[in-house]
Amino acid sequence: GQNIDQPTEMTATEGAIVQINCTYQTSGFNGLFWYQQHAGEAPTFLSYNVLDGLEEKGRFSSFLSRSKGYSYLLLKELQMKDSASYLCAVRYFKAAGNKLTFGGGTRVLVKP
Amino acid sequence: DARVTQTPRHKVTEMGQEVTMRCQPILGHNTVFWYRQTMMQGLELLAYFRNRAPLDDSGMPKDRFSAEMPDATLATLKIQPSEPRDSAVYFCASGKREPGTDSYEQYFGPGTRLTVT
Repeated sequence: GQNIDQPTEMTATEGAIVQINCTYQTSGFNGLFWYQQHAGEAPTFLSYNVLDGLEEKGRFSSFLSRSKGYSYLLLKELQMKDSASYLCAVRYFKAAGNKLTFGGGTRVLVKP
Repeated sequence: DARVTQTPRHKVTEMGQEVTMRCQPILGHNTVFWYRQTMMQGLELLAYFRNRAPLDDSGMPKDRFSAEMPDATLATLKIQPSEPRDSAVYFCASGKREPGTDSYEQYFGPGTRLTVT
């Protein structure tokens, strides 16, 4: 099966930087996604990585190392509205087609 | 402001009853996904369609769940008969996969909160 690990909870201060790590073990790796989900709301897409390296989108960046089975989501200049759960999801290829498995999510609490 | 819509937003039903959840994907999106989210299991992919054809439904319990896309503007997820363990939030998401690209951005609907008593 697929195994995805991310920390359960992190706390950071407004204006600071937080890095959320995600490690995975899978065969047929075919891309990694990050989603943000505020309590009681639907997930929203943040980023997609399939090649090694860093993808930057404003205050958010996502990094992938395929050889290490490792990704992180970097949130810079934290704002109170960034308090949410962040979900790492791995897409992998099976004979029947692409599959997608989510980690349990990391709850980030931003304090003033 | 294009959005994925889902109905109903909330549903309470008794065990054994049929439940139908509906989703209208964003116009022009050719891929539709059904997800289920619970506190215990987190977010799980149940099924997805591309150009209305089912590509994968291995995440669904086959004996009671069925997903269809009768046309490009409507996706349905049915549970028959429903059981208390089906209580969850069911999300529909749509996306547009351009040929020759690997773009995979998904837009989620607001979800249907299902409670089976």
